[in-house]
Amino acid sequence: SQQGEEDPQALSIQEGENATMNCSYKTSINNLQWYRQNSGRGLVHLILIRSNEREKHSGRLRVTLDTSKKSSSLLITASRAADTASYFCATAPYGNNRLAFGKGNQVVVIP
Amino acid sequence: DAGVIQSPRHEVTEMGQEVTLRCKPISGHNSLFWYRQTMMRGLELLIYFNNNVPIDDSGMPEDRFSAKMPNASFSTLKIQPSEPRDSAVYFCASNGGVFNIQYFGAGTRLSVL
Repeated sequence: SQQGEEDPQALSIQEGENATMNCSYKTSINNLQWYRQNSGRGLVHLILIRSNEREKHSGRLRVTLDTSKKSSSLLITASRAADTASYFCATAPYGNNRLAFGKGNQVVVIP
Repeated sequence: DAGVIQSPRHEVTEMGQEVTLRCKPISGHNSLFWYRQTMMRGLELLIYFNNNVPIDDSGMPEDRFSAKMPNASFSTLKIQPSEPRDSAVYFCASNGGVFNIQYFGAGTRLSVL
């Protein structure tokens, strides 16, 4: 079954720096999504990229998708302390409405 | 809309007791998902419903777990009897069908002693 899998490394960066995290998956997808989870909270949808798109921007977020490599990256530019969270990628298959979530990537932004 | 509402936010119980977690999805959403999150296993899908009908319950760990969705605005996840290894954060999420974007509740933190 398909599953988003992020690079497992935790990331610790200084405020103002960029943060990049990657995600790989195994099977065909309809779209790929990124979610953020702050400590003690539920997941919040950040951005979605469709299978026929290669890059998408939303504010300080940039997502890329390479379907030939079955991989995606999330870039957060000019990070802020409030960006400290876990970030999950999730793949949406064709034909049903469940998502397959990765294990998450913890990002700590130091003020 | 208030978003997905879960109750209780925290539950502490003793082993062997029955636990019922509740979820109110976003009005108009026709799919509802129950997840469990632990440090060891990450986020696991337990069961999901489309139009109040259970579609996939393959993630339900044991017969001790059951879920119902009697109507479009309410779902329950029940654990009977509870065990310490059930301790986790349980999330409910709903989906309105557009691109499969899911909206999560704040979760119920369950501690079974």
